[in-house]
Amino acid sequence: SQKIEQNSEALNIQEGKTATLTCNYTNYSPAYLQWYRQDPGRGPVFLLLIRENEKEKRKERLKVTFDTTLKQSLFHITASQPADSATYLCALGDTDKLIFGTGTRLQVFP
Amino acid sequence: DAMVIQNPRYQVTQFGKPVTLSCSQTLNHNVMYWYQQKSSQAPKLLFHYYDKDFNNEADTPDNFQSRRPNTSFCFLDIRSPGLGDAAMYLCATSLQGDYGYTFGSGTRLTVV
Repeated sequence: SQKIEQNSEALNIQEGKTATLTCNYTNYSPAYLQWYRQDPGRGPVFLLLIRENEKEKRKERLKVTFDTTLKQSLFHITASQPADSATYLCALGDTDKLIFGTGTRLQVFP
Repeated sequence: DAMVIQNPRYQVTQFGKPVTLSCSQTLNHNVMYWYQQKSSQAPKLLFHYYDKDFNNEADTPDNFQSRRPNTSFCFLDIRSPGLGDAAMYLCATSLQGDYGYTFGSGTRLTVV
């Protein structure tokens, strides 16, 4: 069955550094991949989408890569800030349905 | 502002007592989704609608039903809630295709 793996351990980094989160998947060939931010007790918020034929996408301080050979996506936040602290969810899509990973909690310390 | 609104934010129901959660949207998106999310777990898709076409996930229990009377509204009915159904229920909308989802703030369901 399809499996999405995100590091279940929290990622703790210092303000100003680059945070890198990993999403690995197996038994799936998604047409696209999305990243979401989720704050405690709230619904996820869409951040970025990258398609299977794209290698990299950027939006402000965010960058996403997608390697369909390695079956992996990397999500980078540059110049991280305490306000970036949240859980980040990876989601794989095919047609109109998304399957989510469990997310990685990012904590940015001043 | 265009948005997805879920009511109520918190719902407490008794074991076995039917409960309905509601979702409305002002985005005019044709696709609506219901996800269940338990603590520290991934959101799990229960079902979704393309317009009025209902699509159930194979592993969604029969205890969960849904209605979409029009484009703007969607309801999740839990016929006989069990303790294991306590979770955050998330409604989301999107346009058809590889577009990002817009989620509501969720309804936290407690079963006592």
